[in-house]
Amino acid sequence: SQQGEEDPQALSIQEGENATMNCSYKTSINNLQWYRQNSGRGLVHLILIRSNEREKHSGRLRVTLDTSKKSSSLLITASRAADTASYFCATDADKAAGNKLTFGGGTRVLVKP
Amino acid sequence: SQTIHQWPATLVQPVGSPLSLECTVEGTSNPNLYWYRQAAGRGLQLLFYSVGIGQISSEVPQNLSASRPQDRQFILSSKKLLLSDSGFYLCAWRGYYTGELFFGEGSRLTVL
Repeated sequence: SQQGEEDPQALSIQEGENATMNCSYKTSINNLQWYRQNSGRGLVHLILIRSNEREKHSGRLRVTLDTSKKSSSLLITASRAADTASYFCATDADKAAGNKLTFGGGTRVLVKP
Repeated sequence: SQTIHQWPATLVQPVGSPLSLECTVEGTSNPNLYWYRQAAGRGLQLLFYSVGIGQISSEVPQNLSASRPQDRQFILSSKKLLLSDSGFYLCAWRGYYTGELFFGEGSRLTVL
């Protein structure tokens, strides 16, 4: 079953604009991770935020986590055409769940030049 | 540095034929290994994971099986493929300290 659900499913913006996507999950987590996937390629890890953190930055990426609402958001600032990709959140449940990451359905982002 | 290799990259197989997808990891020892499947335009479904040689956990009852004959080798197999087995198969290993997944480039399987 999918733990994380991304919203929106697809997003189209102009270069230079910000892109925001959200992820909701159902059970308690150790951490939440965001990945990027270019078409037909493997996923690449972007950022990890632990359950005791509320916000994290990496370059043009900003991730927030609200454990009370079981939700996270990924913000890409000053988007570029090269940011066109699918973005997935993945939740890392406690070790009793077997060290597994559960992925959501992803948000397809199109950045138009 | 660590690398992960998957092969073949693309595979077209008839229904009822066998399957073997291979994944190897270099530069790390005793990794946790994972097989995911991705349907077109969808998210990732965890199929199998392994925490050590010969230790396989199955997530979804299906037509597939996995084996880990060596520490850094993970194999996905089927004796008889179904049309529904078509998809993009991704192998990944997990960093012990960072907790992130490192993915291979995937194997695209089309069953006709």
